[in-house]
Amino acid sequence: DAEITQSPRHKITETGRQVTLACHQTWNHNNMFWYRQDLGHGLRLIHYSYGVQDTNKGEVSDGYSVSRSNTEDLPLTLESAASSQTSVYFCASSRQVGYEQYFGPGTRLTVT
Amino acid sequence: GQQLNQSPQSMFIQEGEDVSMNCTSSSIFNTWLWYKQEPGEGPVLLIALYKAGELTSNGRLTAQFGITRKDSFLNISASIPSDVGIYFCAGQERGSQGNLIFGKGTKLSVKP
Repeated sequence: DAEITQSPRHKITETGRQVTLACHQTWNHNNMFWYRQDLGHGLRLIHYSYGVQDTNKGEVSDGYSVSRSNTEDLPLTLESAASSQTSVYFCASSRQVGYEQYFGPGTRLTVT
Repeated sequence: GQQLNQSPQSMFIQEGEDVSMNCTSSSIFNTWLWYKQEPGEGPVLLIALYKAGELTSNGRLTAQFGITRKDSFLNISASIPSDVGIYFCAGQERGSQGNLIFGKGTKLSVKP
């Protein structure tokens, strides 16, 4: 069955370190998204991609970057982790823009 | 930016009761989606709606795309303990670049 996976599921890192969160989908979807989820804020869009070599900033993109070198993967990089980036991160993909998105299980990141 | 108002924020109900929740926007939407999230997991798609007035069921769940295209409703009949979780609405705003906007969720608790 097609799926979307994230790794690691839990990560603790120190302030200032570079961190990369992986997202891999086997749906063959062109569109992939990264969100962060915090209490009181719901899901907020960080970055998204509509295809290979395409990346776009979402509403909370500062301090994050993504790259899309193939259809299956959209890694999220925190260039220099900050305590404000402690959150749960979700990756999602969709077949068409504006249609249903399918979410991964999430990565809980703690920056100390 | 556009926000979705989801209500109620939380509900405490007795097993067997019916549940209703809704989501409203100030602008017209092309798509309405309903997700459920359980602790430690990613959101799971329950129902997708694409036409004004559309009424769709998924087991004990029924959702409707409001006729004004500015709201959507989710009903759960005869609730059971495994219905516990956070229910999110999401939608694509007409005229937007296509990304989904999410509500902040309704937390459902069911007393056996």
